Formats: sequence, structure tokens, C-alpha cells
Amino acid sequence: AQSVSQHNHHVILSEAASLELGCNYSYGGTVNLFWYVQYPGQHLQLLLKYFSGDPLVKGIKGFEAEFIKSKFSFNLRKPSVQWSDTAEYFCAVNAGTSYDKVIFGPGTSLSVIP
Amino acid sequence: NAGVTQTPKFRVLKTGQSMTLLCAQDMNHEYMYWYRQDPGMGLRLIHYSVGEGTTAKGEVPDGYNVSRLKKQNFLLGLESAAPSQTSVYFCASSSPDRRTEAFFGQGTRLTVV
Repeated sequence: AQSVSQHNHHVILSEAASLELGCNYSYGGTVNLFWYVQYPGQHLQLLLKYFSGDPLVKGIKGFEAEFIKSKFSFNLRKPSVQWSDTAEYFCAVNAGTSYDKVIFGPGTSLSVIP
Repeated sequence: NAGVTQTPKFRVLKTGQSMTLLCAQDMNHEYMYWYRQDPGMGLRLIHYSVGEGTTAKGEVPDGYNVSRLKKQNFLLGLESAAPSQTSVYFCASSSPDRRTEAFFGQGTRLTVV
């Protein structure tokens, strides 16, 4: 069965610091990868996604992620975080025989200090 | 354009009571999902549906039932609520195109006392 792990449970950064959130998945075949963001009290929204082509994908609000197939990773990055980026971030995958459902990682809580 | 709508938004149940959560989507999506979100555990899939009249078990289906009688609606039922079912429940929908993302509702915060 596919699984998704995220390296950090809680990250605290000062404004303008750079961000990298780790995500690894367990499936060896073709995958579709997503990063979702959940702002406090809100529902999940898509940040970016990868399904083929350029392994460096750009999303909304200055976020980007790099798919490294050999490492089974899809890390999220942002060069300079803002207080408004405080949120929970979820990596997700659908793959292989489970294209009909998306498996989520446990999430990383990001707190940005002004 | 409402997207995915969940009702109710909040509910408090006593142990043993039953209730139904309703999810409605207006995007003509084939796939619909119910997840529960608990601190430190992310989103766990309860049940899902790939089309009207079909349902399947997800990761944590015990204690829940679902029905998809109409394409736009996906109901989640708790027959006999337990404190362990205290959680935030999210409904989502997506198209069969595996390259597309899921769209989420606002969530239902359920407390079982």
C-alpha cells in the first residue's frame, strides 16, 4: 500500500527565512503528487501538483516543489516566508492501483514569527 | 459556485447517538471522499466513492457507513457514536482524471461526549 511521510511535525521560522518541507512516498511506479495547505480554521486548498514533465513545479504564493524520483521525494520550498504562510501543509499522492484515492501525509505545522 | 458543501459545520453527540453528515458538490465530479482529521495524524480516508451507487472502504472505515444515491451527494453515517469518533470530518470530490486535485469542503467538527 502507498504511504506518505513528512519529515517535520512542526516548523517555526522567522519572516523572510527560507522554507523546505520534506515529503517522501513509498510507491515505485508512476505517481501524481500534491501539496495542500490548510490555513487556520479553513479547508484544504491545493498549493501545487506534479504528474509529469518538468520535475520542478511552481505553485501559488511563491511555493515550488521538486520531484526527485530516485529519492521518492517531493519537497516543498519557498525562498522567503511571510507571517501569512502560517498553516498546516500536507503532502499527498495517488499512484499505482490506487489512482481512485489520494493518500495524505500526517502534515507539517508551520508557524511564522513576525 | 459553491464547490463542496458540508452540513452541519458543528455537532455535539452523546455516546450511542446516530447522525448523518451530508456532502454536496456541484462540479459534476465522479469521485467523492470522506476523511477524518486528527492532530498529528493528518487526513485518513474513511470511505470513498467512484460513482453513483458505488462505495468502497478506505483506511479507517469501522463505525461508519456511507451512501451515494445521487452523483452530487455523499452521505456519511455514524450509527452509534463513540468518543473515539470525535474529529473534524472533511468531504472532498475530484474528477476521474488522476492528474487533477481534490476539492474540499469546509469541514464538520464533531464532538462525541
